[in-house]
Amino acid sequence: AQKITQTQPGMFVQEKEAVTLDCTYDTSDQSYGLFWYKQPSSGEMIFLIYQGSYDEQNATEGRYSLNFQKARKSANLVISASQLGDSAMYFCAISPLAGNNRKLIWGLGTSLAVNP
Amino acid sequence: DGGITQSPKYLFRKEGQNVTLSCEQNLNHDAMYWYRQDPGQGLRLIYYSQIVNDFQKGDIAEGYSVSREKKESFPLTVTSAQKNPTAFYLCASRLAGLTYNEQFFGPGTRLTVL
Repeated sequence: AQKITQTQPGMFVQEKEAVTLDCTYDTSDQSYGLFWYKQPSSGEMIFLIYQGSYDEQNATEGRYSLNFQKARKSANLVISASQLGDSAMYFCAISPLAGNNRKLIWGLGTSLAVNP
Repeated sequence: DGGITQSPKYLFRKEGQNVTLSCEQNLNHDAMYWYRQDPGQGLRLIYYSQIVNDFQKGDIAEGYSVSREKKESFPLTVTSAQKNPTAFYLCASRLAGLTYNEQFFGPGTRLTVL
């Protein structure tokens, strides 16, 4: 079984500063993928970044980067140079990469507020 | 523009009524998913379909039904058997393949039972 834990219900960050959102996971799969999504108040889930379990380099996508520590089973999202539009819920999710199912298992999310 | 549409955005239902939520995608994706989201919760999988005319139950399928008669459409029916249907419903799709292929989401339907 797979599980995602996001221990920060809410976070505050000053505009233009960096922020780290925590995500730890548990899985018995050898091959898996970790995803981060953003959910603004409108409700739509927006894909941000992906990290594969066999990727040797940390994923980066613009201002988003993933601090992937496989031995510690953590995949923290780092947002650099925060903007007001980054205020949203952020969800971490995990999926097996083998087989056809590819179900995403979700954490409870972290609410991020960016202060001007 | 390619994407996923869900309609309606807001839906009100009386207790005891069935209601169908629409989900359409023009991304040519193979797999489609329905999730339910309650306040303060992550997403929970209701049903998913990997090919036309085939679908599987997710973690909370009781009280829901789906069909997949066309590749681009995956409607969800919330039946009167669903005890607590008030929630936010999200539809997603994914291009099946060899790589990870993230799921793309529609804008969601907020269902309220009166």
